[in-house]
Amino acid sequence: QAVLTQPSSLSASPGASASLTCTLRSGINVGTYRIYWYQQKPGSPPQYLLRYKSDSDKQQGSGVPSRFSGSKDASANAGILLISGLQSEDEADYYCMIWHSSACVFGGGTKLTVL
Amino acid sequence: EVQLLESGGGLVQPGGSLRLSCAASGFTFSSYAMSWVRQAPGKGLEWVSAISGSGGSTYYADSVKGRFTISRDNSKNTLYLQMNSLRAEDTAVYYCAKIIPNCSSTSCYMDYFDYWGQGTLVTVSS
Repeated sequence: QAVLTQPSSLSASPGASASLTCTLRSGINVGTYRIYWYQQKPGSPPQYLLRYKSDSDKQQGSGVPSRFSGSKDASANAGILLISGLQSEDEADYYCMIWHSSACVFGGGTKLTVL
Repeated sequence: EVQLLESGGGLVQPGGSLRLSCAASGFTFSSYAMSWVRQAPGKGLEWVSAISGSGGSTYYADSVKGRFTISRDNSKNTLYLQMNSLRAEDTAVYYCAKIIPNCSSTSCYMDYFDYWGQGTLVTVSS
């Protein structure tokens, strides 16, 4: 079982909100981890969006709009990237990441389609 | 302006070797940990390796441990990745990335990747 699991794809309409999940493997408690989120558009390297551990331990990437935010669902053992007011430019691949046992782990990524 | 420029990619046969370089500018190179992250064609991101600012600490993904070696020359502001015993599954675009630290009063940890290079393609094929 992968350390981080993301749905492979998600579709949403312009102006709506999209909730992207990143589920941690059983036995790895989401509450103890900072969850990082990156956006990648075709032909470009990833760009850092934000980090979320708790409401008192979070950080927005430089220049990242406030309509991108992070949260957690402890009951689902998952980190969440919420994108509100979807725009066509938000169409991209999104990756979650954690540092686990001195190693960096990425989720498999979610392709977000805005249509 | 921070710039990271990878080079050294190309076509190599299975079992062969290749050394990637990442020339950094626009920041105090020796003050930051650095990392390599790869992406196979049409696939997701996979972390490969990281190295502390001094070069004294190195970290590897299990998939490359024992075959790849990360190093840096702080006098040349350059990061390296020596790749040996290459396999078809090592085919990917290799990105170098600068790591922002997360520091408490007693220690620092690797936090997030704030700058990435454009990547260099490594193809392992006969």
